[in-house]
Amino acid sequence: GEDVEQSLFLSVREGDSSVINCTYTDSSSTYLYWYKQEPGAGLQLLTYIFSNMDMKQDQRLTVLLNKKDKHLSLRIADTQTGDSAIYFCAERTAVGAGNMLTFGGGTRLMVKP
Amino acid sequence: DTAVSQTPKYLVTQMGNDKSIKCEQNLGHDTMYWYKQDSKKFLKIMFSYNNKELIINETVPNRFSPKSPDKAHLNLHINSLELGDSAVYFCASSPRRGRRDGYTFGSGTRLTVV
Repeated sequence: GEDVEQSLFLSVREGDSSVINCTYTDSSSTYLYWYKQEPGAGLQLLTYIFSNMDMKQDQRLTVLLNKKDKHLSLRIADTQTGDSAIYFCAERTAVGAGNMLTFGGGTRLMVKP
Repeated sequence: DTAVSQTPKYLVTQMGNDKSIKCEQNLGHDTMYWYKQDSKKFLKIMFSYNNKELIINETVPNRFSPKSPDKAHLNLHINSLELGDSAVYFCASSPRRGRRDGYTFGSGTRLTVV
């Protein structure tokens, strides 16, 4: 079955880089996503990567995918206090006629001034 | 605004009551979902509908009954509410299979059963 794992907490200083890691188990996943959830809010799609890519960069965000090890990471450059939130990785897998996202447990990022 | 909207945002109710949460999307997506987020922030899929047809039904008690009158709406009705049903429920939608777009989520309904 699918299982997506993340570390629970990460604390960094403002201006440093943050790296959030994720491991997944379903090798048939087509897309992998990173979502951000601020307190009391819904989930905001940050970025995604297709399973045949190794890396994707989008402004301050860099996603690295190691498909052999089923390891995904999100690097946030020049982390700001506004980046403090819970970050979820998710894998998208086909289920019958549709698809579903399976989420990791979320990494709570705390950015200290 | 194009979005996934769900109502109500907050719902406080007593054990044993029956309640509904409504969800609507105007993104033209074919598939809609209900996810449950527990107090530890774990997100788990409950149901998925594609063009009004149920395609995913995880191990959810049959007190939970989704209803999709059309592909833009997916409502969740819960009978005989229990304390353990307290959670945040998120509705989401996505384009058809094969597209790279992620899901678009509603802002959530915080259900508290007392």
